[in-house]
Amino acid sequence: DAKTTQPTSMDCAEGRAANLPCNHSTISGNEYVYWYRQIHSQGPQYIIHGLKNNETNEMASLIITEDRKSSTLILPHATLRDTAVYYCIVRFRPMETGANNLFFGTGTRLTVIP
Amino acid sequence: NAGVTQTPKFRVLKTGQSMTLLCAQDMNHEYMYWYRQDPGMGLRLIHYSVGEGTTAKGEVPDGYNVSRLKKQNFLLGLESAAPSQTSVYFCASSDFNEQFFGPGTRLTVL
Repeated sequence: DAKTTQPTSMDCAEGRAANLPCNHSTISGNEYVYWYRQIHSQGPQYIIHGLKNNETNEMASLIITEDRKSSTLILPHATLRDTAVYYCIVRFRPMETGANNLFFGTGTRLTVIP
Repeated sequence: NAGVTQTPKFRVLKTGQSMTLLCAQDMNHEYMYWYRQDPGMGLRLIHYSVGEGTTAKGEVPDGYNVSRLKKQNFLLGLESAAPSQTSVYFCASSDFNEQFFGPGTRLTVL
């Protein structure tokens, strides 16, 4: 699986959009970009994933560059409850590998400020 | 629908003791996983299973054993606990896209 690079920490004002970048310059053509977050001491929570097109769900938007070497997770209106560590993970889907392992790095610690 | 549950939530062991962590899921997922998370670090995969009766090694399998006798359960065993195994242990199960995580088990080995 491709390696990802994320900033160690970021701050965001409550109510503003939080934009979390991720570099994955060695991503291969059929690897997906996944985002998870971990709120203090809890198990990680799935946010969103995508292959090449931009994706949006009720939690966030995922913007993937045309060359797929980087992506940005957008939380449109950050709240205090969005304070967490956000993990960007690049991996194959299980039908390509027979398993669905996630390789977590250290992620970005997002702090939403009142 | 409880999702993924883990038993126990906390445990303190002495070096050399053994224990089993239980993970249960009610989503009929084929895939299940055990991770550990040390302070300030991301999760690391210990073992995983792609179906009932199957297990495979992950990134850090040494010192642990697992069993998947029933589809809904995934057990993680420590035969002889060591202080280096002090960690928070997370279980997860998945469909093709999303992994669902349990609340974690905080284990301290003295």
